[in-house]
Amino acid sequence: AQSVTQLDSQVPVFEEAPVELRCNYSSSVSVYLFWYVQYPNQGLQLLLKYLSGSTLVKGINGFEAEFNKSQTSFHLRKPSVHISDTAEYFCAVSDSGQGGKLIFGQGTELSVKP
Amino acid sequence: EAGVAQSPRYKIIEKRQSVAFWCNPISGHATLYWYQQILGQGPKLLIQFQNNGVVDDSQLPKDRFSAERLKGVDSTLKIQPAKLEDSAVYLCASSSSSDRGRGGYTFGSGTRLTVV
Repeated sequence: AQSVTQLDSQVPVFEEAPVELRCNYSSSVSVYLFWYVQYPNQGLQLLLKYLSGSTLVKGINGFEAEFNKSQTSFHLRKPSVHISDTAEYFCAVSDSGQGGKLIFGQGTELSVKP
Repeated sequence: EAGVAQSPRYKIIEKRQSVAFWCNPISGHATLYWYQQILGQGPKLLIQFQNNGVVDDSQLPKDRFSAERLKGVDSTLKIQPAKLEDSAVYLCASSSSSDRGRGGYTFGSGTRLTVV
């Protein structure tokens, strides 16, 4: 069975500082990996995804993530955060052989302080 | 294109009452998902439809939850009777068949259910 672990439930950071949100996954088959962002009282918005190819994936709003198969990780990074990046971030995995459903991690609350 | 529409946005009910949520996916999207997001947790899949057939309902509490997608377009999720632990945000998402599994999901804004 697949699972996703987000290693930090809360990450406070000052504006313009770099940030890394950590995600590890467990799967016995090849997977697709995703990061979603959820702003208060809104649905989930896709930040970026890894399907195949280059292990460094660039997404929207200046975020990027690196797929590391040996460490089964998919950490999300941004070199300089803004107040507007304050939100909940979810790492997710899917296996196309299981109909495409997403398995989500518990979420990381990013709080950017001025 | 229009997004995934959900209604109502908020609902407060007493335990043991029934409630229904509605979802209209993006036009042409054959796959529809209902997720439950309890406060402080990641979303959990309740049920997945492909057109009007159920693909996966392994985590749907079938003694109280039901869902249908009769014409392969919009969908309704029902809870009867509701329990306190059903308080959550219910998210609907849709994707095209070609994007299934590859992250081409569009999520609605969700329905926030509070059971008192």
